[in-house]
Amino acid sequence: DAGVTQSPTHLIKTRGQQVTLRCSPISGHKSVSWYQQVLGQGPQFIFQYYEKEERGRGNFPDRFSARQFPNYSSELNVNALLLGDSALYLCASSINSGAVRETQYFGPGTRLLVL
Amino acid sequence: AQSVTQPDIHITVSEGASLELRCNYSYGATPYLFWYVQSPGQGLQLLLKYFSGDTLVQGIKGFEAEFKRSQSSFNLRKPSVHWSDAAEYFCAVGARNTGGFKTIFGAGTRLFVKA
Repeated sequence: DAGVTQSPTHLIKTRGQQVTLRCSPISGHKSVSWYQQVLGQGPQFIFQYYEKEERGRGNFPDRFSARQFPNYSSELNVNALLLGDSALYLCASSINSGAVRETQYFGPGTRLLVL
Repeated sequence: AQSVTQPDIHITVSEGASLELRCNYSYGATPYLFWYVQSPGQGLQLLLKYFSGDTLVQGIKGFEAEFKRSQSSFNLRKPSVHWSDAAEYFCAVGARNTGGFKTIFGAGTRLFVKA
């Protein structure tokens, strides 16, 4: 079975631009979460979506938004990019809404560089 | 506040030597604890998890971890390190979020293996 897939793998943008990152969860998984991993740090929680509804949001500005589609895939959008948005963006899926004990499976990430 | 601390930014061990990576957590309720490994340019792979029961948990690739509630610790161990174990290791705790959940990660420990 295919794991979590993300596209694109790499992306270069300039300050002020907008970017859309995509994620396809493992087949049968209904929950998708997004994390930002800045170089040298651990991943930071951005969003969780389940059944197309936002179930949680981390401490990120409103420039960050996301959505989940009926097929459970998800998009993360970042507007008005800043240099500090340069990071590896990780998508994780889990089978349900996520009791705390659910295991999350991570994709390979999208590396975003903002110049 | 919920948090995970990994005191060692990097550790170097000789191939064949034993390994212990330290992790301390702060969480008000029963912790759900994870160890992930990240190879360069890759996403996160789950090594093991602790939810309840036996405080010594076995994972993949010969890793184990011991939960010690009195010390708020969840240290990762391996009796004999292989060169392929060189990677970044993240300790994490599952935490409730409004309507869902999130994973809180430590800053990571980079493992170097010398021949």
